Parts: sequence; C-alpha cells; structure tokens
Amino acid sequence: AQSVTQPDIHITVSEGASLELRCNYSYGATPYLFWYVQSPGQGLQLLLKYFSGDTLVQGIKGFEAEFKRSQSSFNLRKPSVHWSDAAEYFCAGGYQKVTFGTGTKLQVIP
Amino acid sequence: DVKVTQSSRYLVKRTGEKVFLECVQDMDHENMFWYRQDPGLGLRLIYFSYDVKMKEKGDIPEGYSVSREKKERFSLILESASTNQTSMYLCASSLQRARYLAKNIQYFGAGTRLSVL
Repeated sequence: AQSVTQPDIHITVSEGASLELRCNYSYGATPYLFWYVQSPGQGLQLLLKYFSGDTLVQGIKGFEAEFKRSQSSFNLRKPSVHWSDAAEYFCAGGYQKVTFGTGTKLQVIP
Repeated sequence: DVKVTQSSRYLVKRTGEKVFLECVQDMDHENMFWYRQDPGLGLRLIYFSYDVKMKEKGDIPEGYSVSREKKERFSLILESASTNQTSMYLCASSLQRARYLAKNIQYFGAGTRLSVL
C-alpha cells in the first residue's frame, strides 16, 4: 500500500543542536513530498515541498530536506534548533490525495 | 495570506446529536478537505471536495457526511455523534484541481476539538 512512514514518535534535542527527522515513503514512483509543522493549538503549516529536480530543498524557518530515491527517504534537517521549533512535524506525500505520516513530536530542552 | 477558518475551536456534544463543523476559506480555492487527527494515527482524510456540490470519500468516511453549497464553505456533518468520534478535526483547502491533486499545497485551519460525551 502507498504510505508515508515516520519511525520516530518523539525526539528530544538540546537547543542549538542539530536535528534530523526521518521520513520514508512507499510508492511506485516518486510522489510529491511535503513537510508540515503543527505548533500547539494550531493547524498545519507547510515547511517545504519536493516535486522534482534538486534533491536538497530549502524551506522556511531554516529547515531543509533531502530526497534520496535509493533510500525512499525525505528527511528533514535543521543545523541548529531553537526552542520555538518545539512542535509536531508531519511528512506527507502522494499523487492524488495526500497521505500523512503519524507525526514526530519534537521537544527542545534548554 | 490564505485564511482557513473553522467556526469552533472546541465543541462538546452528546451521543446521538447531529453535529455540524464549519470551515470557510477566503482564497477562492477549488479543493477543500476534512481530516481527523488522533494521537499516533496522524491525519486521516474523511472527505474532500474539488468543486461546489462535489465530494469524494477519503479513507474514513463512515459516520460522516459533507456539504459544499458554496465554493468557500465546506461543512462536516456527524449525523449521530458517537464517543469514538471524539477527536481533533482539521479543515484544509488547496488551490486547483490538477491532474495530480497532491501537487497542491494545503492550507489548514486551526482545528476543532470535538468531545462527544
């Protein structure tokens, strides 16, 4: 079945440390891929997207993601995490309708 | 900026009640979506609409219906609310009905947290 998988339910990082959130997809061909962020009490906001072309995509708030076809992955990264990055992060993908992963909750400790 | 407004942030209803969740977008988007968000399950698509009076079932349509009488408004209806429908409901919209629907960025409302007692 076509799906998007986020293997990490919860991640804790120290402020200033680097971050990588994992996302794997299972589709016959490369789907359209997205990362969204949900701050507490809010809806989802798009961080970045990948449709084709350059496999390293830049997003808002200093985030980037790298598409790796060989690993069927689209991991989200940030070199230095800020306390305000504490939120839940969703990877999503698809061709017609979008399928969302189950989310990774990020905790940032001082 | 696109604004997607959900009429209620919190709702408390009783089992068996008919419940309406309303969503309005202000950017003339063609597509509108209703998702349900539960811990550990992510977002699951209930219904979506790509045009006025058009609707398509998502992954979990059972127990729900929708209405889109105007382009900017998309309503989710729980005909007879049950306790297992206690959840966070998110509405979203996207710009165009393209060959590949997923190629559109979705814009989300802040959500309605529904409790069914």
